[in-house]
Amino acid sequence: QQQVKQSPQSLIVQKGGIPIINCAYENTAFDYFPWYQQFPGKGPALLIAIRPDVSEKKEGRFTISFNKSAKQFSLHIMDSQPGDSATYFCAATPNTGGFKTIFGAGTRLFVKA
Amino acid sequence: DTAVSQTPKYLVTQMGNDKSIKCEQNLGHDTMYWYKQDSKKFLKIMFSYNNKELIINETVPNRFSPKSPDKAHLNLHINSLELGDSAVYFCASSHAGTGNTEAFFGQGTRLTVV
Repeated sequence: QQQVKQSPQSLIVQKGGIPIINCAYENTAFDYFPWYQQFPGKGPALLIAIRPDVSEKKEGRFTISFNKSAKQFSLHIMDSQPGDSATYFCAATPNTGGFKTIFGAGTRLFVKA
Repeated sequence: DTAVSQTPKYLVTQMGNDKSIKCEQNLGHDTMYWYKQDSKKFLKIMFSYNNKELIINETVPNRFSPKSPDKAHLNLHINSLELGDSAVYFCASSHAGTGNTEAFFGQGTRLTVV
């Protein structure tokens, strides 16, 4: 019940394409859903986050779609660029606080030039 | 100023040795974490720690122990290192509350056990 399932494990798209990464959770106590981006040799860094009271959030070319009834959320990258090539992690934090954030397994994205 | 800094960045050591990785954060956060990232990039939490509670992932061998001299530091001590301990270890920090719980990560320590 504490897991966050992320797919696909890896993804290759052409420049300008729209990669989509999906995550699903079971625990209804989760109420904060961040996405982290990790470049090689660096630690993960927060990219964008959403709370379940909204169905969509956009920041630049990055969009989170959230389906509360299905307990699923996804990251879309519009007009993807080679510089977006990185590993992306979804995560979920319960309403008891950030102390118990759970990460998905990660998706390695490669954007071809 | 680095928000979360960990040292060393690289650590190569022999099996059976004991080693420590240090972590410091200057963000005023009350919670710190250690994560292990394996060669497939899976990010697995090892410990969550604040001044109230230590949460240990039950899959972590007891050869691993967190040590916190104060709120800004959480070091990771590893006894009797094994080949399978080779990985990148990340320290992170955040607020434990229910508001903005963004986690800030350090640059990682690449541990290689030979």
